[in-house]
Amino acid sequence: QSALTQPASVSGSLGQSITISCTGTSSDVGSGHLVSWYEQRPGAAPKLIIYEASKRPSGISNRFSASKSGNTASLTISGLQAEDETDYFCCSYAGRGTYVFGTGTKVTV
Amino acid sequence: QVHLVQSGAEEKEPGASVKVSCKTSGYTFSLYGIHWVRQAPGQRLEWMGWLNAGNDYTDYSQKFQGRLTFTRDTPASTAYMELTGLRSEDTAVYYCTRVAGSGFDNWGQGTLVTVSS
Repeated sequence: QSALTQPASVSGSLGQSITISCTGTSSDVGSGHLVSWYEQRPGAAPKLIIYEASKRPSGISNRFSASKSGNTASLTISGLQAEDETDYFCCSYAGRGTYVFGTGTKVTV
Repeated sequence: QVHLVQSGAEEKEPGASVKVSCKTSGYTFSLYGIHWVRQAPGQRLEWMGWLNAGNDYTDYSQKFQGRLTFTRDTPASTAYMELTGLRSEDTAVYYCTRVAGSGFDNWGQGTLVTVSS
């Protein structure tokens, strides 16, 4: 199963907004299956920041938002802060009990 | 508070097997699925499969069919992942994670498995 496609890197200045795309197929992202997003700091496990396409777990800043259109999901980080500089991964349910992750995006502030 | 604590790093020779444990606490073990995800050095996350901790149902990514086995010890609230026929490409950090709804909401700290002769 092919990974979801994300840009390798995205950069922005402090206070700006950036958007990370996550492109799949009609079998995963485009099929109505729910997408989740994770941040991963060096040497640490991934951390859930968005689930059910647009919901935030308790404690996650409202500067993180997400949307989906067709086969592409997007994560937007608004009011970019230095602490947002890390790696981000998307993930989609792909049917028949399987999941697929994105290729990952390094955000530079 | 939910915790998933994994066993320590392993070094294995090609062809060997490795078994990683994932001890959970802070919730009812049988009510949630445990998924396993791995990450080769500098690479993306890769979903491997999952175990239904309530009924022992398992599902594996086709990539690992025949080499991968998930088991559980319900009284100990612990899940296990065993990978056989190890090759250098299996060198990675292996994570267990709990699925809640559509997201993996809690993760183990990861277990580095190094395959080298």
